[in-house]
Amino acid sequence: DAKTTQPPSMDCAEGRAANLPCNHSTISGNEYVYWYRQIHSQGPQYIIHGLKNNETNEMASLIITEDRKSSTLILPHATLRDTAVYYCIVRVGNYGGATNKLIFGTGTLLAVQP
Amino acid sequence: EAGVAQSPRYKIIEKRQSVAFWCNPISGHATLYWYQQILGQGPKLLIQFQNNGVVDDSQLPKDRFSAERLKGVDSTLKIQPAKLEDSAVYLCASSLVGRDSRTDTQYFGPGTRLTVL
Repeated sequence: DAKTTQPPSMDCAEGRAANLPCNHSTISGNEYVYWYRQIHSQGPQYIIHGLKNNETNEMASLIITEDRKSSTLILPHATLRDTAVYYCIVRVGNYGGATNKLIFGTGTLLAVQP
Repeated sequence: EAGVAQSPRYKIIEKRQSVAFWCNPISGHATLYWYQQILGQGPKLLIQFQNNGVVDDSQLPKDRFSAERLKGVDSTLKIQPAKLEDSAVYLCASSLVGRDSRTDTQYFGPGTRLTVL
């Protein structure tokens, strides 16, 4: 089962920041938080990941709370093309271990409105 | 850099028929994954390869599903015989296992949409 909880859907106005929350209260100390998104009829696309520090790249920012029990993905200026299902995933895996699979939940459907 | 390639993009078959999907990962990626995504759900891992060896196939219905990755590059996933509940999108992903696998990122292909009638 997925180790994260996300709202099923959210709306955002075009040009505004989209803030997508994720709860991962049972995260372990060596587990990373990953965000992927899936635009309709496409495969999931990697967005960003982090361990405990806030992260930013050209797509988004990731804010992780100090206790690491929740995080927020921020799309600073949402466009219509950002309409997608966003998945927050706690990474299961061990260094040099057998598996580093991603366990997806049902995600948040973000609808960017014109 | 070319992404993960999959074919066919769409397939329609009748139940009890067989079907095969093909995946070509990103060049140099040692790890390859097959996921099944049923409508309205997130992807679920079926099998993971490291080079040409199976790392995890715990969720693969082995009575009807099989997969191989000969020579550690391309992979095929086969269903024989297909059931109605196999209707789904089959996604292939690959990753470059570096020195720290905890930060390994998976890149997905566009998927194959299978409809079983």
